[in-house]
Amino acid sequence: AQSVTQLGSHVSVSEGALVLLRCNYSSSVPPYLFWYVQYPNQGLQLLLKYTSAATLVKGINGFEAEFKKSETSFHLTKPSAHMSDAAEYFCAVSIPTSGTYKYIFGTGTRLKVLA
Amino acid sequence: EAQVTQNPRYLITVTGKKLTVTCSQNMNHEYMSWYRQDPGLGLRQIYYSMNVEVTDKGDVPEGYKVSRKEKRNFPLILESPSPNQTSLYFCASSRSRNLGEKLFFGSGTQLSVL
Repeated sequence: AQSVTQLGSHVSVSEGALVLLRCNYSSSVPPYLFWYVQYPNQGLQLLLKYTSAATLVKGINGFEAEFKKSETSFHLTKPSAHMSDAAEYFCAVSIPTSGTYKYIFGTGTRLKVLA
Repeated sequence: EAQVTQNPRYLITVTGKKLTVTCSQNMNHEYMSWYRQDPGLGLRQIYYSMNVEVTDKGDVPEGYKVSRKEKRNFPLILESPSPNQTSLYFCASSRSRNLGEKLFFGSGTQLSVL
């Protein structure tokens, strides 16, 4: 069965430090992979998306993620954390189903940025 | 502005009192979906719709109904709410039903069933 695992429900980093949020997936078909971000009291918005064009995907706000097929991973990174990055981050995989698609979301990682 | 609009933002109700959460998108999107978000469980799909008059169950459909009479609207109906339906609900849409589409989310509805 397809699944998405996010290691660490809470991650704290200092402002200016590297951000690393981990995501592993299992999928029986070539996956479409996503990272979404949820700021407080808002809906989710797309951070970046992997569609097999390139293994390193750049997103908004300086985030990027690398697809590693051998490790079935799609970890999210940002070289230098900013206070405004504090949010909850969701990794997701899109898979085909019944003539359309469905998303499977991870359980989320809440990022806290310390001053 | 392109957006998905959900109402109400907050809702407190009592067990058994029917309620409807509305969802509307102004992007002429084909695909719409409802999710519930619970701590430690992430987002789980309740129902989805590939087009007008076409709806199907997601992973947690029990206790919910939906309809898609117009392309822009996709209301979520709880005929007899129970406390285990207390959750944060999101409506989302995408341009098409094709694999790999980006989802656009509403701002959410926080529902409490007493």
